[in-house]
Formats: sequence, structure tokens, C-alpha cells
Amino acid sequence: DTGVSQDPRHKITKRGQNVTFRCDPISEHNRLYWYRQTLGQGPEFLTYFQNEAQLEKSRLLSDRFSAERPKGSFSTLEIQRTEQGDSAMYLCASSVPAASYEQYFGPGTRLTVT
Amino acid sequence: QKEVEQDPGPLSVPEGAIVSLNCTYSNSAFQYFMWYRQYSRKGPELLMYTYSSGNKEDGRFTAQVDKSSKYISLFIRDSQPSDSATYLCAIVNRDDKIIFGKGTRLHILP
Repeated sequence: DTGVSQDPRHKITKRGQNVTFRCDPISEHNRLYWYRQTLGQGPEFLTYFQNEAQLEKSRLLSDRFSAERPKGSFSTLEIQRTEQGDSAMYLCASSVPAASYEQYFGPGTRLTVT
Repeated sequence: QKEVEQDPGPLSVPEGAIVSLNCTYSNSAFQYFMWYRQYSRKGPELLMYTYSSGNKEDGRFTAQVDKSSKYISLFIRDSQPSDSATYLCAIVNRDDKIIFGKGTRLHILP
């Protein structure tokens, strides 16, 4: 399967713990995006990378959130000191730079903070 | 005003009916319009995109953009139970970001 993959698919954690999610984009896509989706809402942009450079972060991305893409391939999203409000689906997508309108999504990581 | 607005539904139609899903957007400068389908607990799947105005057809699906009224539509012909999902409209805004509507939950009744 050459689509976008995410790991883990589900994560349950206690408030205050740190969590890390991984995304592997489509191999020829050098843009990688992170979104958050809550129930009844569309995905909301968090941040994106072009190759290893993080080009933009949404104001939704508090200081407790950090994302990396060290070698321009896979990316990680870490949430420190999780809060119940962080419970959501975290989605990763990838595209080629010239076609940011054509993003392909992974299956998402569903985070539940108890 | 939100950049894209979508009625969340739910919308229930009998199998075989034509489905019409709609969104409005705020800025006439937007050029790219997309429709994504999302099954429960899955990631969104790009169905189709259109550039500027007009229609685009792919099998049973037709996307339509009316720039004069800032209205985008997705039509599904001969709807099937497997079409039951949430349909998200989206635009690319001036910052080159995809902005999604809330999604419309569609149920096709066998």
C-alpha cells in the first residue's frame, strides 16, 4: 500500500502524559500536513512541512504541540502534558507542492485523553 | 463570516435517488474547490476537485461550481448504500491552505 500511513491508529492516555504520533507520507510527496478533527467538524489545519522545513503553524498549535520531519520523509507530532481538550482525530496528509489542493489523507490517529 | 459553510445534515435519501450536497464560500478569489468523502473513523478521501467554475464529472459524481453565487455542489446519481458517509467540501484559501466545511452526513436507505 503506497498511501499515507499513520501510527498508532488509536491512543488512550491519561491527562498530563506525553504522546507522539507518526505519519509516513506518499513517497514522492514532499509536502506533509497535520490536521485535527473533532466530532462534527471538518479537519482543521495545524502545521505543514515542505521537505524537512516546517513552513507554517496554526495558532491552534499551542506550545505543548511540536512537530518534526527530520529527514523530509516521515513526520512526528508530539503533544506534551495532554489535556482532555486534546481528544480528537489527528490526521496527516501529503501532496506535491504544485498541487496543495490535492492532498491525500492517512487514516488518522484517534486520541482519547482521560 | 466563515470561509466555507456546509449544512451538517444528516441527509437521508432512498437508494437510487439523486443526492445534492451543497456549500457556500465567502471569497470570490478562491479558485480550487474540492469534495472529500469520509467514512466513519477513517481519514477523508479526495473524491474530486474543480478549478474555477463549471462542472466536472466522474462516474456517478458531478461537482459543480457557481462563482457568481459562491456556491459549490456535489451530485451523486443512482445513490448506493455504500455512498453513506460524511461529505466534506473544501476550498484553498489565499494562504494556500485547505479550509473544510463541517461535512454533511449522508445516509442512503436500502
